[in-house]
Parts: sequence; structure tokens; C-alpha cells
Amino acid sequence: NAGVTQTPKFRILKIGQSMTLQCTQDMNHNYMYWYRQDPGMGLKLIYYSVGAGITDKGEVPNGYNVSRSTTEDFPLRLELAAPSQTSVYFCASSSHRQGLLTDTQYFGPGTRLTVL
Amino acid sequence: GNSVTQMEGPVTLSEEAFLTINCTYTATGYPSLFWYVQYPGEGLQLLLKATKADDKGSNKGFEATYRKETTSFHLEKGSVQVSDSAVYFCALRQGAQKLVFGQGTRLTINP
Repeated sequence: NAGVTQTPKFRILKIGQSMTLQCTQDMNHNYMYWYRQDPGMGLKLIYYSVGAGITDKGEVPNGYNVSRSTTEDFPLRLELAAPSQTSVYFCASSSHRQGLLTDTQYFGPGTRLTVL
Repeated sequence: GNSVTQMEGPVTLSEEAFLTINCTYTATGYPSLFWYVQYPGEGLQLLLKATKADDKGSNKGFEATYRKETTSFHLEKGSVQVSDSAVYFCALRQGAQKLVFGQGTRLTINP
């Protein structure tokens, strides 16, 4: 049982380049999330999804796009990379069932992205 | 809006010392409260949680009590070990599964 996996682990981009951060979970969780973690800061929510075909913006969505075509996968797309997007990106998933109030979020190991 | 404030780090202690990391929150209603731990090079892991006032979460010798009157969820451990060195995040959740994190507190335990 791999849990939440992310690829790549590290990436350096030039300004204006694009890339997709991959996230996959094998726990059949309906909720998935993307966070970014800047140095000395907590995590900020970029986008989240409550199920296949449904996505919504979080706190800091500008410059990113997501899609959720399957339950397992939730890729994050950067179209025009900017230095302000240098950060560590974490994907997470959780299972929300009606009547269950406290579902734990499980995090992937992160992708460290540098934009130069 | 909802927010979480943690004590500033870094915190450095000797092995077997008593640990407190303060966490206070601002929220309407009754959020669920969490402590996550991030070991070097890894993602976040849930350490403990509490869902209602006066609940105590505990795990691996760590404890935190949900105090609604002081809007606090301080993390404590009676005797820390070198292996507890990590970054600790306090977080709250209120609806729609969205977590709000504090800025994190880096803890270093010296042998």
C-alpha cells in the first residue's frame, strides 16, 4: 500500500516554462488537495477536489490549474512558471463519508520546485 | 477568517526535557484541531487530533487538550528524545475538509 505518491521529487524550471506535478493515491479517497509550503511558513491550500470531475480553488490558486479525471490522480499544472512559485508542493488525500466528522489527511513526500 | 498561531521557533532542548509548543486559534463555531509532524525530507504525518472541547488527543507520548475557553491546543511531551526532532504544525479544520495550518515550529533535541 503506497499511500500518496508524488513525482518528481525535485525540479528546476526556467521562468515561463510549464510543468505538471503528479499525485496518485491508492486508498480510494474521494478528497484530494494540493498545498504549497514556503520557507518558515505553514502550508497553504492551492486547489482541492471532492471527487472525480469536481475541483475548487483554495487560498492561493493563481498560476495553477488542476484536473481530476479519476479518483486516484490529481495533477497540478503550472503553465508559466514564475520565481514566486518556488516552493515545496504537497499533495494530500482523505476519505469523507457522510456522518464521519474527522477524516485524516494523508500527505505525499512533496516536490521541491525551484524557478530561476 | 480562521487562523492558527504557533509559538515561534526554533526550539532546542536537551534529551529528556519537558516540551510545550503553544498553539492558539481563531475560528467561528467548533473546529476540529490537529497536530501534524514533518520529519526531515518527508511529508506531514498526523500526530494527534481532538474534535470537541476538553477532548485530549495523544500519541507517541505527545498530548494536547482542546481548550475552547482559551482557544488553545498546546502540544506537550514529558520527556523528549532525539528522534522527536522535526517540524510541528498545528492546524484546524472547519467544514469542507479544508485544513488551516500554523507556520510550524522547528524542534531540535540534543543528546
